[in-house]
Amino acid sequence: NAGVTQTPKFRVLKTGQSMTLLCAQDMNHEYMYWYRQDPGMGLRLIHYSVGEGTTAKGEVPDGYNVSRLKKQNFLLGLESAAPSQTSVYFCASSYLPDSGVYNEQFFGPGTRLTVL
Amino acid sequence: GDSVTQMEGPVTLSEEAFLTINCTYTATGYPSLFWYVQYPGEGLQLLLKATKADDKGSNKGFEATYRKETTSFHLEKGSVQVSDSAVYFCAFSGGGADGLTFGKGTHLIIQP
Repeated sequence: NAGVTQTPKFRVLKTGQSMTLLCAQDMNHEYMYWYRQDPGMGLRLIHYSVGEGTTAKGEVPDGYNVSRLKKQNFLLGLESAAPSQTSVYFCASSYLPDSGVYNEQFFGPGTRLTVL
Repeated sequence: GDSVTQMEGPVTLSEEAFLTINCTYTATGYPSLFWYVQYPGEGLQLLLKATKADDKGSNKGFEATYRKETTSFHLEKGSVQVSDSAVYFCAFSGGGADGLTFGKGTHLIIQP
């Protein structure tokens, strides 16, 4: 059971280039999330998905797109990278709440992205 | 709006000292509360959680009690070790599927 995995671990882009970050989970979780972590800012939600084929915007969605074509995968795309997108990106997943109690999220190891 | 406030640090302690990291939250309803820990170069790991008022979460010697009257979830440990050096995040889930709200993190450094 690998949990949540992310690909790649590191990447350096030039301004204007595009890339896709892949997140995969093998826990059969319904919910998946993309966060970015910046110094002194904690984690901020970019986009999330409550099930296969659905996505929604989080706190900081501009400049990113996502897709959830399969339940176990959640892709984060940068169409035209900017230096402000230099960050560490974390994917997370979670299972359906039990009787209205919201459960913890399980995090991947992160992708460190630098945009020059 | 919803938010989490925690001491940012760095907090530097000697081994075997008592630890408290304060966390207060602003949320409507009855959120679930969490402490996550991030070791250098790694992702976040759940340390402990509490899902209703007066619940105490505990793990690896760490404890935190869900205090609804003071909207707090302070993290404590009686005797810290060098291996506890990490960044600690307080977070809550506010009643929707739209992710966790995190504090900015507290960098804890334990010296031998």
